[in-house]
Amino acid sequence: TQLLEQSPQFLSIQEGENLTVYCNSSSVFSSLQWYRQEPGEGPVLLVTVVTGGEVKKLKRLTFQFGDARKDSSLHITAAQTGDTGLYLCAGVEDSNYQLIWGAGTKLIIKP
Amino acid sequence: EAQVTQNPRYLITVTGKKLTVTCSQNMNHEYMSWYRQDPGLGLRQIYYSMNVEVTDKGDVPEGYKVSRKEKRNFPLILESPSPNQTSLYFCASSRDRVLYEQYFGPGTRLTVT
Repeated sequence: TQLLEQSPQFLSIQEGENLTVYCNSSSVFSSLQWYRQEPGEGPVLLVTVVTGGEVKKLKRLTFQFGDARKDSSLHITAAQTGDTGLYLCAGVEDSNYQLIWGAGTKLIIKP
Repeated sequence: EAQVTQNPRYLITVTGKKLTVTCSQNMNHEYMSWYRQDPGLGLRQIYYSMNVEVTDKGDVPEGYKVSRKEKRNFPLILESPSPNQTSLYFCASSRDRVLYEQYFGPGTRLTVT
């Protein structure tokens, strides 16, 4: 099973800065999800995007689905220490409805 | 409260001693899955179930068994655990396989010595 390519794998920035995390694949997805996982807990669903070019906002988090439905990005504006965590993307492959996971981006926001 | 529960949360055992990790969901979801999470390898699906009595292998099924006798429960069985099964395990449920949005349990950290 192919993983979604997530980048960067690790990001450590100061509180107040902006950042973008990417999720790329050669596969086409019927939908794509973003999750956040905190240490010792299970991943929690943040958002699902389903339409090419779709943009969804969740407070300071902006999620975009690529026009061709092969990639997605997560942009955080004015990061806060509470944004610290592992961010995972997962896509439902158009061809076989398999759920494919990215390896995750570990994000640390320093006060 | 809608949730997925797993037990135990932590388990240390020895090689070869059979164990079961329980999973239960109260959302009436059709689909349930088991994952293991290892550093650098991400989440890997072990087994999944599309309904009662319907289970299928995921990406890393060797050494594991599952059963789905009731819609809400999906236990993971390790008949003869080995040290390479030391990992963090998550159960998840999903309403459908269209969006396939996963609702995860809190995890079970298993150590096999």
